[in-house]
Parts: sequence; C-alpha cells; structure tokens
Amino acid sequence: QSVLTQPPSVSGAPGQRVAISCTGSSSNIGAGNDVHWYQQFPGTAPRLLIYGNTNRPSGVPDRFSGSKSGTSASLAITGLQADDEADYYCQSYDSGLGGYVFGPGTKVTVL
Amino acid sequence: QVQLQESGPGLVKPSGTLSLTCAVSGGSISSNNWWTWVRQPPGKGLEYIGEISRNGATNYNPSLRSRVTISLDKSRNQFSLKVFSVTAADTAIYYCARVTIATSGTVDWFDSWGPGTLVTVSS
Repeated sequence: QSVLTQPPSVSGAPGQRVAISCTGSSSNIGAGNDVHWYQQFPGTAPRLLIYGNTNRPSGVPDRFSGSKSGTSASLAITGLQADDEADYYCQSYDSGLGGYVFGPGTKVTVL
Repeated sequence: QVQLQESGPGLVKPSGTLSLTCAVSGGSISSNNWWTWVRQPPGKGLEYIGEISRNGATNYNPSLRSRVTISLDKSRNQFSLKVFSVTAADTAIYYCARVTIATSGTVDWFDSWGPGTLVTVSS
C-alpha cells in the first residue's frame, strides 16, 4: 500500500488531453517535497519524464507537463499519441517513512 | 552518457542470499551522485530498496533495512546489492539507477536506469 495515490488507469482519444493525479499527505508532497514522474513501457526500464514537479529532461516532448499544489501533483499529456500508452509513476520522499516513495502507477490507454 | 547494467543469478533459493551487481559505464561512480536499487514484482509497481553515495554512505527502505546491504567498488566502477533471507515475495525485476542530487529542489531523482534483471526466488 503506497502512501501516494494514483488512479489505476486513464484513457483518451488521440489528440486529447489526459491528466494523472498523484495524491499524498503532509508527510510527503504536502511537506514541500518535490514530485518526479517516470514513464515505463512494457518490458522496459522506467524513464525519467518530469523532475522537480515541472521540469522536463532533454528529449522529453513539451506535450508532457507537471504541476504540484498542496498535497497533490499532476502529470498532463496533451495531444495524446498512440505511443504514449505506458505506465506512469510519481515519486517523492516521505518524511514519516524516511525514504523515497513511488505511487502505484497509472496505465494510460489511447482509445 | 552514463549507462548501467545489472548482472547476477536469475534464480535464488528461499532463505538464500540475492546478490546483484550494477556496472557503470560512460561515467564515474565517484561522481557527485548517489546510486540506487529499485525493484518491481511482476505486474506490480516500483519499490525503492536503498542507495549509496560515492563515499559509501547508505540509506535503505525501512521495510527492507534489516535484510539489505548496498556496497560500492570504485576500482571496478560498480555497486552491488545483497538481499538476505529471501522469500518468494522478493521475486522481482531489479533495477539499478543513478540518483541526481536536487541542488535546487527538495527530492533527488533517478535519471539513468539499467535495463533490469529478473530474479526469481524458488526452490
């Protein structure tokens, strides 16, 4: 049971916008701890998608954006494409547990 | 560009010790980064195991701390993971990754990952 909550799945048609929430508490996101996002395709390693709540590493399209407010963070994908189908994980730090924590992951399906 | 590669036995017997190594290329393990292990049971999510600094300082997931050791071998530019007293619940894909220190933020992130290696615990 993760201390970060994500919806199990989200879906959208090509070209649409989808958003994935990552909800925490006062011991992690709400404590001011940054949130990072990873993208994982089946059978491959996770890839850093967003770091420091809003920043994209080199090579990540600007269709991906992150935000954070209060005890939650969000990853938005605009102009949804078929090759965006993947699992997406949020990551932060939990002061109560004393370590990094991942959300349970959200599967994005392109209809 | 740094690359990481996990290696080790793919099958470990229950109550035995899981031992994996992560070879780092294209960069130095003595750089200003930490190095981490993350695992993923088949069909499930990611779990942070622990990390080690270039000076050998370690942090572990409290839920695994009593059974895990991470060590560094600077001469071979690699770091290692040992999980003791394994059970079927330790069956997972094990990833090693580089941790970038958040100099202007509050939480470090994992920016380069190995491809992962599946370790099965079974007799």
